[in-house]
Amino acid sequence: LAKTTQPISMDSYEGQEVNITCSHNNIATNDYITWYQQFPSQGPRFIIQGYKTKVTNEVASLFIPADRKSSTLSLPRVSLSDTAVYYCLVGDRRSQGNLIFGKGTKLSVKP
Amino acid sequence: EPEVTQTPSHQVTQMGQEVILRCVPISNHLYFYWYRQILGQKVEFLVSFYNNEISEKSEIFDDQFSVERPDGSNFTLKIRSTKLEDSAMYFCASSEALGGGGGYTFGSGTRLTVV
Repeated sequence: LAKTTQPISMDSYEGQEVNITCSHNNIATNDYITWYQQFPSQGPRFIIQGYKTKVTNEVASLFIPADRKSSTLSLPRVSLSDTAVYYCLVGDRRSQGNLIFGKGTKLSVKP
Repeated sequence: EPEVTQTPSHQVTQMGQEVILRCVPISNHLYFYWYRQILGQKVEFLVSFYNNEISEKSEIFDDQFSVERPDGSNFTLKIRSTKLEDSAMYFCASSEALGGGGGYTFGSGTRLTVV
């Protein structure tokens, strides 16, 4: 499984766009990139998943360059309720379920 | 939006006692998982379960742990003889596709405190 590196923490203000970048230099051909969000004392929540280029849903966008060695989660116009830990995971979708969570990025949104 | 339901939300038990953590996965999901998170640490994989058998397990999932799907809806994690270091949040998750294509849905967790 490819190792990921992301900033330990980020600060932002309400209404701003937040971009969290994740490095995964050893990503394999069959690997997908998935982002989860976790609030204190709750389970991780799936945000978005992609393989290449750009994926957008109602919550976020995921940008993946052609070499796939990094990815950027973009959260438009964050609010206080977006304060959470964000995890970037890379793995083969055919794997049996061993998601490897790193320490994630603790995003703090201030008023 | 479908949810994974876990009960109880908080359980306190004495060291050496058996505990059973319960989960109701999303009804059309076929793959089930248990993860745990010790306070302030990473979320760690314990076990995955499919077609009534364990698919994969981590080193944490030793002989003290077992999982069961006793009926068509529940998925349980049993810890036979709890230790202080078993204190953690335990999360159940389920997915429709192998490897969680489209993501896993996690429950809100059971906070296990071993005293």
